[in-house]
Amino acid sequence: IVLTQSPGTLSLSPGERATLSCRASQSFGTNYLNWYQQKPGQAPSLLIYGASNRATGVPDRFSGSGSGTDFTLTISRLEPEDFAVYYCQQYGRSPRWTFGQGTKVEIK
Amino acid sequence: QVQLQESGPGLVKPSQTLSLTCTVSGGSISSGNYYWSWLRQPAGKRLEWIGHMYTSGTTIYNPSLESRVTMSRDPSKNQLSLTVSSVTAADTAVYFCAREGIQLRSGYYYYYMDVWGKGTTVTVSS
Repeated sequence: IVLTQSPGTLSLSPGERATLSCRASQSFGTNYLNWYQQKPGQAPSLLIYGASNRATGVPDRFSGSGSGTDFTLTISRLEPEDFAVYYCQQYGRSPRWTFGQGTKVEIK
Repeated sequence: QVQLQESGPGLVKPSQTLSLTCTVSGGSISSGNYYWSWLRQPAGKRLEWIGHMYTSGTTIYNPSLESRVTMSRDPSKNQLSLTVSSVTAADTAVYFCAREGIQLRSGYYYYYMDVWGKGTTVTVSS
């Protein structure tokens, strides 16, 4: 399964809403789709698992939705620390894990 | 609190074997319902999963790398190891180890990578 994220770059201002898309080449269960945030020079950090479940400690301005082949990560109001790259990830058969190419959320 | 730390040589010559170690603290690599993964990320590119090892020691590799990759562990040191043979410039990347959590809820299994090391940079160059 290939994951395609869009847009490649999202230029927004603090306080604005961010909507990130992850589209899969084949349908799969929502429990197998995760989202991560990665800041420069750091490891990725789990945000959302199972398409819509926030990981421990993740602020409620982050939400995930979708099913089948189309998934969305929404940041309701961007905070300065939210400007980063976001990856979707799928758990599958072979290979076990695949990632999207990432969406960079940058300050406008 | 579980913490992971990757270590290894920063520079490897082409055709040689790359060897990395992931030291785990705050939890055992041999217990619990976890997988322990290796991943890599070339500069400016997406993450690539290399393979993982269950707490029992069973391994599964990415088919694209399987012929050159071996994962092992040393329970006495609570360490995981990764070797990649016959490296080329395409193996230049930041290498991460990560813990995979498994959760059963309402009849569904959820899998995710909830703890990551900070990563170690490997450059393949003569």
